[in-house]
Amino acid sequence: DVKVTQSSRYLVKRTGEKVFLECVQDMDHENMFWYRQDPGLGLRLIYFSYDVKMKEKGDIPEGYSVSREKKERFSLILESASTNQTSMYLCASPSSSGEQYFGPGTRLTVT
Amino acid sequence: AQRVTQPEKLLSVFKGAPVELKCNYSYSGSPELFWYVQYSRQRLQLLLRHISRESIKGFTADLNKGETSFHLKKPFAQEEDSAMYYCAPPGNTPLVFGKGTRLSVIA
Repeated sequence: DVKVTQSSRYLVKRTGEKVFLECVQDMDHENMFWYRQDPGLGLRLIYFSYDVKMKEKGDIPEGYSVSREKKERFSLILESASTNQTSMYLCASPSSSGEQYFGPGTRLTVT
Repeated sequence: AQRVTQPEKLLSVFKGAPVELKCNYSYSGSPELFWYVQYSRQRLQLLLRHISRESIKGFTADLNKGETSFHLKKPFAQEEDSAMYYCAPPGNTPLVFGKGTRLSVIA
């Protein structure tokens, strides 16, 4: 019963490329989040969205943008990928009780 | 924003020894807290939430308002407990996870 899916498990891109990471949830949740996960730094919030076409910056939005055209889909965009954006990217969607449901993650390598 | 702190990046214990993963929170109001776990090559998933007051896989966590803590405990560690553990407030508001603690259980 997979609830949150991400478009790719592994991705390798070159510096300067535009990168799209997609996340889809099938729980009809209002909120969706994008995190990056790095060793020793834990999960850091990049962007979140409370509703369609709404977005809010998290703790580390620089170099990223997002798109939420449909309730179930939340896309993370790296406008011009850089090597310091090599990371694991996690999408999550919380229930009304506050429990976060996570996607499997996308491991992005920028060379 | 609601914030939590996990002071230990890495915790190594021997199999059968007690485990305590620390989590402290620093926000006012009625706190709600969760523990998440990530096993190797698996997605991050909920382990337990304080409001349920249940034991999952032998783990328990008690909210201590006086010490503003929500430590995760297990009396006897098992090798399959080796994983990354995160403490977090509820996810329906902008939340900040703790940095996580990697638990390594040594046979």
